[in-house]
Amino acid sequence: NAGVTQTPKFRVLKTGQSMTLLCAQDMNHEYMYWYRQDPGMGLRLIHYSVGEGTTAKGEVPDGYNVSRLKKQNFLLGLESAAPSQTSVYFCASISGTGNGYTFGSGTRLTVV
Amino acid sequence: GQNIDQPTEMTATEGAIVQINCTYQTSGFNGLFWYQQHAGEAPTFLSYNVLDGLEEKGRFSSFLSRSKGYSYLLLKELQMKDSASYLCAVREEKSNYQLIWGAGTKLIIKP
Repeated sequence: NAGVTQTPKFRVLKTGQSMTLLCAQDMNHEYMYWYRQDPGMGLRLIHYSVGEGTTAKGEVPDGYNVSRLKKQNFLLGLESAAPSQTSVYFCASISGTGNGYTFGSGTRLTVV
Repeated sequence: GQNIDQPTEMTATEGAIVQINCTYQTSGFNGLFWYQQHAGEAPTFLSYNVLDGLEEKGRFSSFLSRSKGYSYLLLKELQMKDSASYLCAVREEKSNYQLIWGAGTKLIIKP
């Protein structure tokens, strides 16, 4: 089992460019989450999904969009990247009965 | 409102014991988690407390007092590999399993 796989691991974008981060899980988990992690701050929830075809806003959704067309995949999109979106992005998933999240290895994004 | 507090940084000696505290204020409590995060890596699950008391798991133990909004993570027989950040997170009721995260405590282990 691969668990939760995130791609890419690193990316540098120019201001205004767009990109999509992919999160894939093979554990048949219902719930999936996208977080960003910045120095000195806790993990902040961007968007989440409670099942295939559903998405909802988290704490810091502005500038991001998401889609969950298939249960195993949760995509995070940046339509027009800004330097404030420089961060480390983590995807996580959990089954409806599980206690702990399983995290992906993270994507380090720099916007210049 | 929601708030989770934990110390920013702690230093301890190899072989010793360290206690990392976490206090929280949330609307409806449904569990407290501790995660370990090594630099440049993803958080990994350490422990889960939903009832008051101590949960022991090898060298690591976690304690919860719901009435005080307080938890601690106790690490015994410290090893150099325990140098990491330790994240406290709380799950609220009816939250779709969302967690509210503290900023993390960076633990530095010295020989």
